[in-house]
Amino acid sequence: DVVLTQSPATLSVTPGERISLSCRASESVDTYLHWYQQKPNESPRLLIKYASQSISGIPSRFSGSGSGTDFTLSINGVELEDLSIYYCQQGNSLPYTFGAGTKLELK
Amino acid sequence: EVQLVESGGGLVQPGRSMKLSCAASGFTFSNYGMAWVRQAPTKGLEWVATISYDGSSTYYRDSVKGRFTISRDNAKSTLYLQMNSLRSEDTATYYCTRGVLHDYWGQGVMVTVSS
Repeated sequence: DVVLTQSPATLSVTPGERISLSCRASESVDTYLHWYQQKPNESPRLLIKYASQSISGIPSRFSGSGSGTDFTLSINGVELEDLSIYYCQQGNSLPYTFGAGTKLELK
Repeated sequence: EVQLVESGGGLVQPGRSMKLSCAASGFTFSNYGMAWVRQAPTKGLEWVATISYDGSSTYYRDSVKGRFTISRDNAKSTLYLQMNSLRSEDTATYYCTRGVLHDYWGQGVMVTVSS
């Protein structure tokens, strides 16, 4: 199984700052890497698909990059509503796997 | 507006069965593969099973293979998950999702396996 390692586990942020979250795969997943946001007590929602492709309705401050084994989700100007858990997921090989998540909290 | 509405969860004893349903609307259901993803209490997300747009192909994680069956009724725009021989480790919120991208999620349904 492809193991996705997300870091850091928790990130304390200040509104307005630019941040980067990491997702590292145990083997290449090409660009079959997607990012999801889960706010407290809500269902997850898709943020970025295929490593860097934007999703309609998602604010432009969210962007993704990477390929192979190293991926990054960036938020350019964190807002309070972004305080959530972020998961990466690979769709390259079965079983599809998710990372353990990175929790954004207020500094 | 795309909507996915799960139903059928609740409390069940270990070893018993339960069937989840997901009613889809707002898109052409028969054009999309569908999936179930679960989340144990306070834990992360875990893919459970996927079915192709026409039901001809199904895929499962190893821990549910032989116990769970994903199916669909395109005439009713409904996705199902038949869960047999349930174990305590199957306790989770089960989400119905659209496609391989999981681009839409239902609100989730809680399944608790306990005696």
